[in-house]
Amino acid sequence: DQQVKQNSPSLSVQEGRISILNCDYTNSMFDYFLWYKKYPAEGPTFLISISSIKDKNEDGRFTVFLNKSAKHLSLHIVPSQPGDSAVYFCAARGSQGNLIFGKGTKLSVKP
Amino acid sequence: DVKVTQSSRYLVKRTGEKVFLECVQDMDHENMFWYRQDPGLGLRLIYFSYDVKMKEKGDIPEGYSVSREKKERFSLILESASTNQTSMYLCASRTGAGASGANVLTFGAGSRLTVL
Repeated sequence: DQQVKQNSPSLSVQEGRISILNCDYTNSMFDYFLWYKKYPAEGPTFLISISSIKDKNEDGRFTVFLNKSAKHLSLHIVPSQPGDSAVYFCAARGSQGNLIFGKGTKLSVKP
Repeated sequence: DVKVTQSSRYLVKRTGEKVFLECVQDMDHENMFWYRQDPGLGLRLIYFSYDVKMKEKGDIPEGYSVSREKKERFSLILESASTNQTSMYLCASRTGAGASGANVLTFGAGSRLTVL
């Protein structure tokens, strides 16, 4: 059973607009949530994280929101740029400290 | 700049061959991990190691083994490669227990394995 779900396999956004990537989870014991970005033929790179005791974390154009009651988090990218086109993975840290990843959302930002 | 280096970016092997995927990190990290990435399936954990000589099974260990003889090196072994092991393999590392914050995983560039 999937503990971390990214229900949208793909998302297409116009350059300059907001991209919103969503992630749902089932385990209320996760203590950290992370977003990774992956370009083809490269390894994932860390983007931003949020502790389970926070509801928002911001880093430049990237903001992650956490709604614990809904077990939902989202990544907002504003403004979106063509270089943001990549696969984005949501991950949650479990009791052993290991990360559980979602299946990813492919973001395409069109000029 | 800190690095996780995977020795082979692209490999083509035949069914039944033994395959070694090597990973080296220069960050003095205690923990190391092997994932595979497949379209529509995300990143799945194969094996991990919290310290030298230690290894733990992840979610999909069948058909794989690992070796961690030195702190900086973590090898993934396919004893007898099969076509369903064609995938992108990703190595990652991080500091050990007691680290503060999210204790982020740092990934290598990946090894694309094709088994014919």
